[in-house]
Amino acid sequence: QVQLAQSETEVKKPGSSVMVSCKASGGSINSFVVNWVRQAPGQGLEWLGGIIPLFNKSTYAQQFQGRVTFTADHSTSTAYMELTGLTSEDTAIYYCARETSGSLDPWGQGTLVSVSS
Amino acid sequence: DIQMTQSPSSVSASLGDRVTITCRASQNVSTWLAWYRQKPGRAPNLLISAAGGLESGGPSRFSGSGSGTDFILVINNLQPEDFATYYCQQANSFPFTFGPGTTVDLK
Repeated sequence: QVQLAQSETEVKKPGSSVMVSCKASGGSINSFVVNWVRQAPGQGLEWLGGIIPLFNKSTYAQQFQGRVTFTADHSTSTAYMELTGLTSEDTAIYYCARETSGSLDPWGQGTLVSVSS
Repeated sequence: DIQMTQSPSSVSASLGDRVTITCRASQNVSTWLAWYRQKPGRAPNLLISAAGGLESGGPSRFSGSGSGTDFILVINNLQPEDFATYYCQQANSFPFTFGPGTTVDLK
């Protein structure tokens, strides 16, 4: 069964960028769609967008357009999310998840991105 | 964007209780609706897809129903692991959007 393992906690300065990885095991990342969701401390879930690694085609939520980029490395079955221009409001846990017909399962364990001066 | 609302925002319940959570979409999402349970400190976990489809291996005490704009998640015989936050999510159109969550805590 597919499992998703994410990279470790990142601590960043305002204005910098962060890249979070999501490595698939138990299945090739080419065979599914990867979505990215974040959760600010004590808050709900916010969808950033998704990527179809097989076609390298991404869809981004409007509020992140121009600041977020999804990529995938087929050779390592790993998806990446890069977010630029970080502010304190980007402090959150970032999750990757496999999307199947709109439902997200499984999810990675999450990566905490902390933005502070 | 499609706005999702949930009610109640929180509910207190006891072991063995039945809990009902409602989710409403601002536009018709047909049955493109999923439910997730998120335990504290953990990633969300898919419970229900396509409004009413229990995930393989998912506990049968969970059931979902509805279509269009109004949806319901029912938890029968509440178990200790069910004290958590529940989210609905629409997948009818981009951007996917989530409800604000319903927290089930111990009475």
